[in-house]
Amino acid sequence: DQQVKQNSPSLSVQEGRISILNCDYTNSMFDYFLWYKKYPAEGPTFLISISSIKDKNEDGRFTVFLNKSAKHLSLHIVPSQPGDSAVYFCAASARNTGTASKLTFGTGTRLQVTL
Amino acid sequence: NAGVTQTPKFQVLKTGQSMTLQCAQDMNHEYMSWYRQDPGMGLRLIHYSVGAGITDQGEVPNGYNVSRSTTEDFPLRLLSAAPSQTSVYFCASSEQGWSGNTIYFGEGSWLTVV
Repeated sequence: DQQVKQNSPSLSVQEGRISILNCDYTNSMFDYFLWYKKYPAEGPTFLISISSIKDKNEDGRFTVFLNKSAKHLSLHIVPSQPGDSAVYFCAASARNTGTASKLTFGTGTRLQVTL
Repeated sequence: NAGVTQTPKFQVLKTGQSMTLQCAQDMNHEYMSWYRQDPGMGLRLIHYSVGAGITDQGEVPNGYNVSRSTTEDFPLRLLSAAPSQTSVYFCASSEQGWSGNTIYFGEGSWLTVV
């Protein structure tokens, strides 16, 4: 039972254009959502997060949108750069249920930014 | 990946052998956890700890053992390795009241069981 789903295993975008990565979740107890970026042979690195009390969070070129009614979030990268090429993982947590730092990850989307 | 150190980075084991993956953090974090990553799947939680002396199972705990005798260390033990445990393993740590940018992952340990 995949509680966090990233239905697009890969995405190719031209440099300078917008990249939109999508994530769906099923567990209504999730109240905190994160995006991680992962390069080959490295650990995941934090990119941006959003609490369920918000519907948008922005950090430079990265914006995360949360639609709680649809149990859907998306990561927008504008403009996309070649260095953004990596695997992006969506993760979720139920922080208010006393489950500490347990994260549930999606399967990842491989983003390729082409010149 | 500052502050979370995993060893070894690469290991090849024979079926039935035992080994320990080491994880250490120097940030005095209370929470530590182990994940495994397999092709086509996200990171899945194996075991986690909320402090020294306290551990609990995650999503895929079978075949693994953990202990937390100190705040700094959280080793993951494979008692009898199986080919299904071939994976990349990541250790993570975070403080109480964590937010996204205060969860730190190690660089990963690549384990192959033949």
